[in-house]
Amino acid sequence: NAGVTQTPKFQVLKTGQSMTLQCAQDMNHEYMSWYRQDPGMGLRLIHYSVGAGITDQGEVPNGYNVSRSTTEDFPLRLLSAAPSQTSVYFCASSSQGNTIYFGEGSWLTVV
Amino acid sequence: AQRVTQPEKLLSVFKGAPVELKCNYSYSGSPELFWYVQYSRQRLQLLLRHISRESIKGFTADLNKGETSFHLKKPFAQEEDSAMYYCALSGLGNEKLTFGTGTRLTIIP
Repeated sequence: NAGVTQTPKFQVLKTGQSMTLQCAQDMNHEYMSWYRQDPGMGLRLIHYSVGAGITDQGEVPNGYNVSRSTTEDFPLRLLSAAPSQTSVYFCASSSQGNTIYFGEGSWLTVV
Repeated sequence: AQRVTQPEKLLSVFKGAPVELKCNYSYSGSPELFWYVQYSRQRLQLLLRHISRESIKGFTADLNKGETSFHLKKPFAQEEDSAMYYCALSGLGNEKLTFGTGTRLTIIP
């Protein structure tokens, strides 16, 4: 009964480092997405996927990469971390026409 | 372009008083509207979805297509309602959401 699982929960990076935020879902959902949450700005879509092998950009994609090699996993890669990427990141999944479920969030600080 | 506007960043209400959190949207087509709630440092949870027309935790929301609004209401606020509330919309597929900037609701005992 895991739902949407994100790791790590907390991470501190130095500017210029790269890292991957992991997201997995066990509900066989075809849709997965990544959002960042910043104070006063709500949640903004970074990238999303409508199925394995298919990804598309959201509102704020710059500095992030995604891939969807399996239905279950949708990792988010930060290529060269910048302080502007300090945020809380949420992964979400859904199936067509149904409720969108969120992970618990990943708190990222870039120093 | 699609947009969700929540005009109140902060809202404080006394316990037992009515609550209304405002949400307006713009979307070309027929969107699906949602309210999500986030308790302190927790994941977002679906509170309401306009097509289900349910009442969850005493909250209701009616989609007004003429005013392009989806305001969240509760007749009597409870202390456990203190949280961050987000209004959001999606297209028919529900593959992604557009969020408002959120309203932090504080219930005063």
